[in-house]
Amino acid sequence: GDSVTQMEGPVTLSEEAFLTINCTYTATGYPSLFWYVQYPGEGLQLLLKATKADDKGSNKGFEATYRKETTSFHLEKGSVQVSDSAVYFCALSDRRSQGNLIFGKGTKLSVKP
Amino acid sequence: NAGVTQTPKFRVLKTGQSMTLLCAQDMNHEYMYWYRQDPGMGLRLIHYSVGEGTTAKGEVPDGYNVSRLKKQNFLLGLESAAPSQTSVYFCASSRLGTSGGIGTQYFGPGTRLTVL
Repeated sequence: GDSVTQMEGPVTLSEEAFLTINCTYTATGYPSLFWYVQYPGEGLQLLLKATKADDKGSNKGFEATYRKETTSFHLEKGSVQVSDSAVYFCALSDRRSQGNLIFGKGTKLSVKP
Repeated sequence: NAGVTQTPKFRVLKTGQSMTLLCAQDMNHEYMYWYRQDPGMGLRLIHYSVGEGTTAKGEVPDGYNVSRLKKQNFLLGLESAAPSQTSVYFCASSRLGTSGGIGTQYFGPGTRLTVL
């Protein structure tokens, strides 16, 4: 079945450092891809998404490009802030599964001042 | 516009007790979902609903039941709680997206359940 694999954390960075969180997927169809963020004590929020190959999703300085050839959707940010400390989840959605989200296990990011 | 709300926020149960978690959304969304979040496991889908009066099983449905009597509410029931059901439970909702796909899922703040 469909699955999502993302790099294990935790990831600790200094403020203004460059961030990459790797995400790869396995799917038989043409899924939509998502990054969700969970701040401490809160539910998940959609950070960005891409619905077809070569699409780039972007929001709040984060971006990710849907790479069909490498089945990847890596999350990047050029300069992280302390307020970016959170858990980041990569996910996919497939019409075959009625749009249900399949999540990776999450990557915890801590940004130090 | 409150979005997705969940009741209660915290609960402690003894093994064998029953309880119902309530999820409510005010966005007129067709789809609603219940997930559980466990350390190192990400989120796993328990049950979902594609409309009022309909429910379906997700990845980990055993030990849970659900009902969607009203479009805005989605209830998750534990008939006989077990320690393995200690988790954080999230509800989410979404509308039909463009081109017949599924729209963005909006999540509630979660319910932290401990079963002793």
